Amino acid sequence: NAGVTQTPKFQVLKTGQSMTLQCAQDMNHEYMSWYRQDPGMGLRLIHYSVGAGITDQGEVPNGYNVSRSTTEDFPLRLLSAAPSQTSVYFCASSYGFAGSPLHFGNGTRLTVT
Amino acid sequence: TQLLEQSPQFLSIQEGENLTVYCNSSSVFSSLQWYRQEPGEGPVLLVTVVTGGEVKKLKRLTFQFGDARKDSSLHITAAQPGDTGLYLCAGGSTGSARQLTFGSGTQLTVLP
Repeated sequence: NAGVTQTPKFQVLKTGQSMTLQCAQDMNHEYMSWYRQDPGMGLRLIHYSVGAGITDQGEVPNGYNVSRSTTEDFPLRLLSAAPSQTSVYFCASSYGFAGSPLHFGNGTRLTVT
Repeated sequence: TQLLEQSPQFLSIQEGENLTVYCNSSSVFSSLQWYRQEPGEGPVLLVTVVTGGEVKKLKRLTFQFGDARKDSSLHITAAQPGDTGLYLCAGGSTGSARQLTFGSGTQLTVLP
């Protein structure tokens, strides 16, 4: 019973490099999302998807791309990493109906130097 | 933009004490969730409240949704070291119910 799986757990990038954070869920959830967590700022929504082939921007989408080709996978791409993107990134999924709980992965800690 | 303010931001108490964490907004939410997050892990849902004035209990934790559905509180009775963690409230809105607005969190430390 894996739930939401994120890889890698840790990553260090140099400014300007690109990379993809992976997220997979095995609960057949329609809704998936990416958050970043910074000290004192809670969780801020980057991008979300309500189903395969459908994505939309959240609160802080600049510098990030997403795609949703399958129900299970929702990768987050950093196009050209900047120090301001140093953060902990969480992927979450849910059934998507009002009040349904979010199931989170264990996060990816990203440092951009 | 809907905002949720949590207070206090940090709380350090002795085992056995009671505490209350607050989550306030000027916006109305259709539902309010509370999550707890431990170091190195993602948040885990504790409770969802959907009706104004609703009170839910989870062992020593009591959650209340304000009558106007703009605020919520979490009360812990006789705190234990195992209650240590980051507590996050999150509001959901009708029409955008799949997106949650998170508060900034309350870091609770319960000392033995």
